[in-house]
Amino acid sequence: GQNIDQPTEMTATEGAIVQINCTYQTSGFNGLFWYQQHAGEAPTFLSYNVLDGLEEKGRFSSFLSRSKGYSYLLLKELQMKDSASYLCAAGDSNYQLIWGAGTKLIIKP
Amino acid sequence: ETGVTQTPRHLVMGMTNKKSLKCEQHLGHNAMYWYKQSAKKPLELMFVYNFKEQTENNSVPSRFSPECPNSSHLFLHLHTLQPEDSALYLCASSQVRDTYNEQFFGPGTRLTVL
Repeated sequence: GQNIDQPTEMTATEGAIVQINCTYQTSGFNGLFWYQQHAGEAPTFLSYNVLDGLEEKGRFSSFLSRSKGYSYLLLKELQMKDSASYLCAAGDSNYQLIWGAGTKLIIKP
Repeated sequence: ETGVTQTPRHLVMGMTNKKSLKCEQHLGHNAMYWYKQSAKKPLELMFVYNFKEQTENNSVPSRFSPECPNSSHLFLHLHTLQPEDSALYLCASSQVRDTYNEQFFGPGTRLTVL
């Protein structure tokens, strides 16, 4: 079956670095997305990886290893506004996105 | 209006009611999606429309009925719902139906079925 695994909840300190992991099993692979969702709001796009390696975008970076079925989202210099859920989603061979349940990130002062 | 809008934002309905959710995108996209989001569960894809044609129905009960009159508008008609249908219903759009283009989400309709 198709599956996405990511931790349910993580806690980190303001100013620190946090890494949110995601492992996926899909029939075929057509890219991996990370979205951010603040409580009560719409998910918003953060990153897209289709090739192995690290993509950096400001304080946020996303890494992909297709051979390991693994991705992570790295958040640096954490700010209180980064408190949100982070959703991992992988595209399968039918070009459908398979979503994880999300990781709730709590930032403490 | 910009992006993807959804109305109403909140809806409480009884099991015998009929209501409709509306979604509108102002991005010139050709694909639109309905998702169900329940607490601590992955997003569940319900329906996909690509160029106004329904391309996917992921075994959704017939008490949910989608309608896509044009590429900018998407409706979800609800009737005879069950309490377990209470959830956040999200609409999204993308340039076309594939996994290379990011999806833009609306703020959702929080549905409560009594």
